[in-house]
Amino acid sequence: EADIYQTPRYLVIGTGKKITLECSQTMGHDKMYWYQQDPGMELHLIHYSYGVNSTEKGDLSSESTVSRIRTEHFPLTLESARPSHTSQYLCASSDNRGPPEAFFGQGTRLTVV
Amino acid sequence: RKEVEQDPGPFNVPEGATVAFNCTYSNSASQSFFWYRQDCRKEPKLLMSVYSSGNEDGRFTAQLNRASQYISLLIRDSKLSDSATYLCVVAQVSGGSYIPTFGRGTSLIVHP
Repeated sequence: EADIYQTPRYLVIGTGKKITLECSQTMGHDKMYWYQQDPGMELHLIHYSYGVNSTEKGDLSSESTVSRIRTEHFPLTLESARPSHTSQYLCASSDNRGPPEAFFGQGTRLTVV
Repeated sequence: RKEVEQDPGPFNVPEGATVAFNCTYSNSASQSFFWYRQDCRKEPKLLMSVYSSGNEDGRFTAQLNRASQYISLLIRDSKLSDSATYLCVVAQVSGGSYIPTFGRGTSLIVHP
């Protein structure tokens, strides 16, 4: 089992609220990623990080922001949640050495009402 | 054109059948290839890497055709437990590091 954890697993929140989705991994991986996935649809990369103090935007434009102050922690923040942010958010990490097998957390299913 | 394209299916097959999925990718500079499996409402998990020479893991065989830019996955003797979505993943080098791009996935339903 991969040692990557996301909290909360489920979140229902009102429009306009600020939220932070947590992601932590204990594998010492340098690279971490955030993907957004709607039901039955593909994963879209929204943010990634090569290591501490590195953050990059992914292919899908997102109003969220991320930070990477510690290797093991890669939180995603939405300053003002909207119903269009309703989706599943999956965090993943991979080792910098060798083929980039990505290990995923169990995801956070976000509903904005 | 999407970077990684897959037929979403679903592929509906009886137990014991052989089924094959294909995936095409657009970036000829892609360097690493994988198949992931995602069960309903679960996170994706690595099924197998895809090597240029082709590779086999039990009932699963993966092949890569760089000239035509496609990857295939063959499942023999399908089991009910193989029912899932199979994601094709292609990784390109960006900023000196690999970034994986996922296809939409192909849904497989194995019935008794």
